[in-house]
Amino acid sequence: EVQLVQSGAEVKKPGESLRISCKASGYSFTTFWIGWVRQMPGKGLEWMGIINPGDSDTKYSPSFQGQVTISADRSINTAYLQWSSLKASDTAMYYCARHVHADYWGQGTLVTVSS
Amino acid sequence: DFVMTQSPLSLPVTLGQPASISCRSSHSLLHSDGDTYLNWFHQRPGQSPRRLIYKVSKRDSGVPDRFSGSGSGTDFTLKISRVEAEDVGVYYCMQGAHWPGTFGQGTKLEIK
Repeated sequence: EVQLVQSGAEVKKPGESLRISCKASGYSFTTFWIGWVRQMPGKGLEWMGIINPGDSDTKYSPSFQGQVTISADRSINTAYLQWSSLKASDTAMYYCARHVHADYWGQGTLVTVSS
Repeated sequence: DFVMTQSPLSLPVTLGQPASISCRSSHSLLHSDGDTYLNWFHQRPGQSPRRLIYKVSKRDSGVPDRFSGSGSGTDFTLKISRVEAEDVGVYYCMQGAHWPGTFGQGTKLEIK
């Protein structure tokens, strides 16, 4: 059974750094791209970026290029989304999803950024 | 940018009645490989999205056959033949033909 299990909710202050994770199981991790989708409170879905765990090739949506970093550790079947300096506007639910066609989703990680 | 436009944005439906959601893309979703990459997702309150339909009309495993997708090029439709209580939530179309994938604004289905 394919599963994507994300790390728990985070509460951070503006300017702090953060890395959240998405652990995959039930399939060959290096066979499918895996990406991150943002959902701001009460809003819709936005692709942020996607990574090929096989060779670490990464694509970012223009809106998120330079704002976040996506990485993957194929030794532990885990993808990451990280920020070097959070802003209040980063407050959102973040989902990982398998493949650009998003056939499987993680349960979501709520990130709250507040002073 | 590929802009996806859904209508209606709000859809009140009586239990047992049909429902239909339209999705229009600003550009053709026909890929050079011959497939058309239009997906439909359902998100219940407090839950992750779940894919229902891929490549316009193919149902994902476990999706009831009351859900069907159709369309081509830039115009697509999701139909629910008889709405059940578990169908409430927000429906999104998403194009996967060109990176970055883009979602429609979402259509909120509620029971009248």
